[in-house]
Amino acid sequence: DAKTTQPPSMDCAEGRAANLPCNHSTISGNEYVYWYRQIHSQGPQYIIHGLKNNETNEMASLIITEDRKSSTLILPHATLRDTAVYYCIVRVASSGTYKYIFGTGTRLKVLA
Amino acid sequence: DAGVIQSPRHEVTEMGQEVTLRCKPISGHDYLFWYRQTMMRGLELLIYFNNNVPIDDSGMPEDRFSAKMPNASFSTLKIQPSEPRDSAVYFCASSSSASGYYEQYFGPGTRLTVT
Repeated sequence: DAKTTQPPSMDCAEGRAANLPCNHSTISGNEYVYWYRQIHSQGPQYIIHGLKNNETNEMASLIITEDRKSSTLILPHATLRDTAVYYCIVRVASSGTYKYIFGTGTRLKVLA
Repeated sequence: DAGVIQSPRHEVTEMGQEVTLRCKPISGHDYLFWYRQTMMRGLELLIYFNNNVPIDDSGMPEDRFSAKMPNASFSTLKIQPSEPRDSAVYFCASSSSASGYYEQYFGPGTRLTVT
């Protein structure tokens, strides 16, 4: 199964862009990259996903390198409420559907 | 929609007792997942269902754990007998194949403490 590597922690100043990197060098051609975040002890929350093109939604932007071996999640204007653990996940095919293989994530701390 | 609903939110029980965790997925979703989260092992997938049928239970730790989905709106995860090492937060998530992207929506979790 493809696995992801993320830095264990990062700090970001409030109002600045937070750029969270992820390495997925063993990803296969048809495997999507998903990002989730977990605030305190709540359930993980879906943020964004992509295959090979850059993606943007109301929460964030996802930049995927051309070789698809890494990606970056961008929170354009981080707020204190964005403090959370961010998981980069590769979705792998399994028995007609897809499984998520969660890594250890990046603990983002937004500083006032 | 109310989102994924889990009950109870907190459960404290003694070793050897039976524990039942409950989940109501988002209406219309055809996939349901059970996860366990601990500090040591992170977030682990235990089992998932498609249209109420168990598809992959390879993550279930041992025979003490069992999961059922009697209908599209209800699932249970049972531990019998419970042990202190089962203490964790258990999450239920659901997803829909209709969108093609299968993003999962998680419930608030059940924090289980076995003493």
